[in-house]
Amino acid sequence: DAGVIQSPRHEVTEMGQEVTLRCKPISGHNSLFWYRQTMMRGLELLIYFNNNVPIDDSGMPEDRFSAKMPNASFSTLKIQPSEPRDSAVYFCASTTGTAMNTEAFFGQGTRLTVV
Amino acid sequence: QQQVKQSPQSLIVQKGGISIINCAYENTAFDYFPWYQQFPGKGPALLIAIRPDVSEKKEGRFTISFNKSAKQFSLHIMDSQPGDSATYFCAASDQTGANNLFFGTGTRLTVIP
Repeated sequence: DAGVIQSPRHEVTEMGQEVTLRCKPISGHNSLFWYRQTMMRGLELLIYFNNNVPIDDSGMPEDRFSAKMPNASFSTLKIQPSEPRDSAVYFCASTTGTAMNTEAFFGQGTRLTVV
Repeated sequence: QQQVKQSPQSLIVQKGGISIINCAYENTAFDYFPWYQQFPGKGPALLIAIRPDVSEKKEGRFTISFNKSAKQFSLHIMDSQPGDSATYFCAASDQTGANNLFFGTGTRLTVIP
């Protein structure tokens, strides 16, 4: 398997624009996580899906952020409108989602810069 | 609110030395404590993990020490090498509910030759 695939790797956008980040989890994994990484706050969990259903979105910072998982092989994280403080590296991760804690596999991340 | 507190923020160690990174947690429901290693431009990757039924787990030069009563755990890297230079994250989760991983803020380790 190619692992968790995220696109784009880098995104530079102007404040106020809509940004969509994409993630393809590992085939067979049924839990998917979106994280945001900054120097100040480290890795923050934004939202978590299990079997394509959002389970916990308490980490989504504002209504400007939304996430979807229309099927088992694709998820998006959208920011509308984007702001400079949204600049960060966004990671997607997937696990098998079984009852036992299992390894989370991370994508390479999307570095977002909002100017 | 940070569920897992990690220190130090950065660490510089001579080649061959021991690197020690510490983490503490409050939620007694946590029962899985992994450490992730992240190289620049890459996503974090699982390095080693421990469950609270043991006090220590060793894999090669990497050891996790776990103190359940103190709610603390640490990563020890023996004979540190320049190739170990990376950011290390401790994490914790529990089996109930969401299986979320709560990460510490990370430690940037630099091993100098």
